Order: sequence, then C-alpha cells, then structure tokens
Amino acid sequence: GQQVMQIPQYQHVQEGEDFTTYCNSSTTLSNIQWYKQRPGGHPVFLIQLVKSGEVKKQKRLTFQFGEAKKNSSLHITATQTTDVGTYFCAGPTSGTYKYIFGTGTRLKVLA
Amino acid sequence: DAGITQSPRHKVTETGTPVTLRCHQTENHRYMYWYRQDPGHGLRLIHYSYGVKDTDKGEVSDGYSVSRSKTEDFLLTLESATSSQTSVYFCAISGTGSEQYFGPGTRLTVT
Repeated sequence: GQQVMQIPQYQHVQEGEDFTTYCNSSTTLSNIQWYKQRPGGHPVFLIQLVKSGEVKKQKRLTFQFGEAKKNSSLHITATQTTDVGTYFCAGPTSGTYKYIFGTGTRLKVLA
Repeated sequence: DAGITQSPRHKVTETGTPVTLRCHQTENHRYMYWYRQDPGHGLRLIHYSYGVKDTDKGEVSDGYSVSRSKTEDFLLTLESATSSQTSVYFCAISGTGSEQYFGPGTRLTVT
C-alpha cells in the first residue's frame, strides 16, 4: 500500500541552527500537507502544497514540493525554542480524501 | 481553533468492554476523521466520514466501528476493547477534504 516516510525521526539542534525534515511518498501525490504538533497537544495544520516544484514560505519556514510530486521538505531557518514539536507531512491516497501521515520528525531545540 | 470537541478526554477501561468516543463539531464541515496516535507510528486513519451516514475504512479499521447520524457528531466504537487499542485518539474535521483541524484528543487506556 501507499507509504509516506519521514526522515529524520528525531533532531536536536542548538537554538539559531537550521533544521530540515524530508518526506517521501511511495506514490505520486495530488497535494501534500504539513502539520505541527506541540508536546501534549494536537496536530495543527501549517500549509498545503499542490503544484509540482512549488515553494511556499511562512516567516522562517520554507516548504517545498518535489518536481515529481513524490517528496517534500520543510526547512526552518534559525530555530527558536517555540519551534519545538513534531512535524508531520500527509498526503491523500489516490482518488480519495483519506490521508496517510508520515511518522513525523520530532524537533528539540536547545537554548 | 476550529469548533471541535472530543469526549471523554481520558478513559480507562477493562479488556472486553465496549467503549464509545464522541467527536462533536460546530463548523458544519462535511468530512470527519478518526485517527489513533502511537509512538513510532505517527497518525493512522481508523475511519472517516464524507457525509451523514457515509463512512469508509482507513488503514487500521479492524476492531473499530463508526457512526454519523448528524453532521456534527462522529462516534467511534470499540466493540470489545483490547490492550492493543490503548492509544491517543484524535478526531479531525475538514470542510473541503484537504486541510484538517484536529480536536484535543482522547487518551484511552485498556487494562
């Protein structure tokens, strides 16, 4: 079946360092979404990418959708302690509104 | 945050007992989802609904059933709870079938 993998599983960075998480799908995706979950909280929608090669920015966060629409990345510039949490990507199974989530990347920022 | 609540927020039950979790929304969104979240597995879809009385299975539906008799309520039932169903359960809603808004979660422990 369709799989969505994320790497790395964990990342510890010093405050001010950059961070990147990668998402890879076994199938082509019509769109990809990113969510953030703070410790003890619920996932919160960040962004959706739809077009091949699309790049979107939200302040220090840069999201990219691969040309083949099978991979995506989230890059955070100059991390802050408020960036702590787990970042998930999610993509729809073909022809449905059912989403497969990646296993997530847990980010810890050391002050 | 979207108007979405889950009840109960915490529950401890014994193996073999039936359990029903409730998700309630005030957004009049068409799509509703039930996920479970376990360490190392991210979020996995149990069932989802694309309208009143319209539901479909997700990737981990065995041992679970759902019902949606009203737009605002989506119930998840464990007919006979097992220890493997100990998890955190999240409900999510979506108006368009794309970005999802999650509830606060229900922590279920089956002893």
